Amino acid sequence: DAMVIQNPRYQVTQFGKPVTLSCSQTLNHNVMYWYQQKSSQAPKLLFHYYDKDFNNEADTPDNFQSRRPNTSFCFLDIRSPGLGDAAMYLCATSSPRDLRNNEQFFGPGTRLTVL
Amino acid sequence: RKEVEQDPGPFNVPEGATVAFNCTYSNSASQSFFWYRQDCRKEPKLLMSVYSSGNEDGRFTAQLNRASQYISLLIRDSKLSDSATYLCVVNAITGGGNKLTFGTGTQLKVEL
Repeated sequence: DAMVIQNPRYQVTQFGKPVTLSCSQTLNHNVMYWYQQKSSQAPKLLFHYYDKDFNNEADTPDNFQSRRPNTSFCFLDIRSPGLGDAAMYLCATSSPRDLRNNEQFFGPGTRLTVL
Repeated sequence: RKEVEQDPGPFNVPEGATVAFNCTYSNSASQSFFWYRQDCRKEPKLLMSVYSSGNEDGRFTAQLNRASQYISLLIRDSKLSDSATYLCVVNAITGGGNKLTFGTGTQLKVEL
């Protein structure tokens, strides 16, 4: 089945130790998103790629970077994780063919713990 | 003011009850609207899109009032399996594609 896959599902890292989260999709969607969701909060968009074009949200800290080497894969790099970066990180995809009624398809998320 | 506001709940209702959730949004340029469902520790999943004319999908009815910037979701004959957090989501088309803005969600607990 076509889907959005995130690895790992659970990631533990140490304070300040760089970590990379990965997302892959078999939907062949042009747009890929990274969200951060903390407990009892709304998913917060960090950035997204429209094909190879990177779109950063204004309030996303520089500590968060992203790479999209090809259509299928997108990575979230956290250069120096702090305790406040512990959260669920959600990857999503969408196709721009119908932007007005555009559903985003979410992966299962990676839950990041920072020790 | 938050871009998308919802009552966080929780709404505790007995099985079979009708329950309604409301949502307001601040961006008058928003173009499309959705309700997503999120189960505990899982990813959000699309429940239904919301159209100006109102739309129904089984026990679920969604309404949009653009003038008041207000969205609602009605669930009839609640089931235990409806227990989840319901996220109000607003879509704005930007130069880089479309951007979804999520409310914090309304938690529903359906009880026997």
